[in-house]
Amino acid sequence: EDKVVQSPLSLVVHEGDTVTLNCSYEVTNFRSLLWYKQEKKAPTFLFMLTSSGIEKKSGRLSSILDKKELFSILNITATQTGDSAVYLCAVSDSWGKFQFGAGTQVVVTP
Amino acid sequence: EAQVTQNPRYLITVTGKKLTVTCSQNMNHEYMSWYRQDPGLGLRQIYYSMNVEVTDKGDVPEGYKVSRKEKRNFPLILESPSPNQTSLYFCASSPHPGQGKETQYFGPGTRLLVL
Repeated sequence: EDKVVQSPLSLVVHEGDTVTLNCSYEVTNFRSLLWYKQEKKAPTFLFMLTSSGIEKKSGRLSSILDKKELFSILNITATQTGDSAVYLCAVSDSWGKFQFGAGTQVVVTP
Repeated sequence: EAQVTQNPRYLITVTGKKLTVTCSQNMNHEYMSWYRQDPGLGLRQIYYSMNVEVTDKGDVPEGYKVSRKEKRNFPLILESPSPNQTSLYFCASSPHPGQGKETQYFGPGTRLLVL
């Protein structure tokens, strides 16, 4: 059975800290892994990863995929209160199905 | 403005009363999908559609129906809603999975309460 597991489920950090979120997966016919940010509304897209070892960056956020060990990490450096959100990991397969993890709730305190 | 719209945004209904949640996108996307989101369970895919007249079951299709008669619309139908279908529902669309275009754009969500 396909599954996507995110860890930790939640964490609280201080502004300026670095956060590392984990996503492991078991999906038949993997096509891509995606990260989304959700702040009390619809998820918004962060990254899509398809190749191992290639880091994607956007400002203070970065992500990398390891297709051999079947996991991805999302890093947030110099966290700000605006980074407080639920971060969702999703994996797509070659038939168009998407499997989401339960999410990691990040709280950044001033 | 490129967007995915859902209606209604909030709905309270009673068990067994058929309802439809509409979803429309104006980006000419081929792929559309419905999800439900429940606390602690993340997003679970209900149905998806790779193109007009093509629909497939996701992980939790029981109790739901969909249709894709036009490219822009993908309504979700609950023929006989039950309280366990109380949830937050999201519609999403993307250009075309499989061509590096899996990025999904989500609608604002529909919060459904079934009494």
